[in-house]
Amino acid sequence: AQKVTQAQTEISVVEKEDVTLDCVYETRDTTYYLFWYKQPPSGELVFLIRRNSFDEQNEISGRYSWNFQKSTSSFNFTITASQVVDSAVYFCALSLPHRDDKIIFGKGTRLHILP
Amino acid sequence: DVKVTQSSRYLVKRTGEKVFLECVQDMDHENMFWYRQDPGLGLRLIYFSYDVKMKEKGDIPEGYSVSREKKERFSLILESASTNQTSMYLCASSSQGLRGGGFPQISYEQYFGPGTRLTVT
Repeated sequence: AQKVTQAQTEISVVEKEDVTLDCVYETRDTTYYLFWYKQPPSGELVFLIRRNSFDEQNEISGRYSWNFQKSTSSFNFTITASQVVDSAVYFCALSLPHRDDKIIFGKGTRLHILP
Repeated sequence: DVKVTQSSRYLVKRTGEKVFLECVQDMDHENMFWYRQDPGLGLRLIYFSYDVKMKEKGDIPEGYSVSREKKERFSLILESASTNQTSMYLCASSSQGLRGGGFPQISYEQYFGPGTRLTVT
C-alpha cells in the first residue's frame, strides 16, 4: 500500500531557530515522485518542491532545504533561520506516475514560529 | 502565472439544498481534482477528471457528483447538502504525466485554488 506519514502533528519553534519537518513514505514502486506543499493561514496550498525517485540529490532553495534518503524512505524538509511568515501547515505527498496522476498526501504538520 | 479560481471563498447552505462549487483553471491542464479538508483527516480526494466529460471516483465520492463540460472548468455538486458535508473544499489541477511504456514516467505537481469553506446548517 502507498502511504505518507508525517509523525509531527504540530511543532513550535522560536523565530530564527532551524526546524526540520519529517516525512516518511511507503511504496513498492521504483518510480515515484515526492512533493512538499505549504498551506498558510489563508488556506491555499502552495507547491514547494517535486523530486523523483531517481534523483537523491539534496536540494536547497534559500532558507529551505530537502533531504531525500531512499534507504530510510524519508523526504525531510528543513527551514533554516525560521521566520514568522513560515507559520503554516506543511504537507508531504507521494505520487506513482505509472498508475495515475493522483497525489497521496500526508496529514500535515502545523508549524508555529513564535516571535 | 498559474491560476486556479473557485467561485466562492465562503458559502452557507441549508440541509437538503443543492450546492454547486465551481473551479476554473487557466493553465490548460488536463487533470482536475476536488478534495475536502477536515481537521485531523488531512486532504481527501472526492473526484477527479482526466479529460473533458471524464470523471473518476476518489476516496470519498458518496454524496457528491461532478461535471466537466469544458477543459478549464470542473464543478462539484452536492445533490442534497447535509451537515456532515460542512468542510473546506479545495480544487486543484495538473498536467497529465507520461505513462505506459514510455520512459521517463513523470508526475506533475498539482496547483490549488484558494478553497471554499462550506457550512451546511
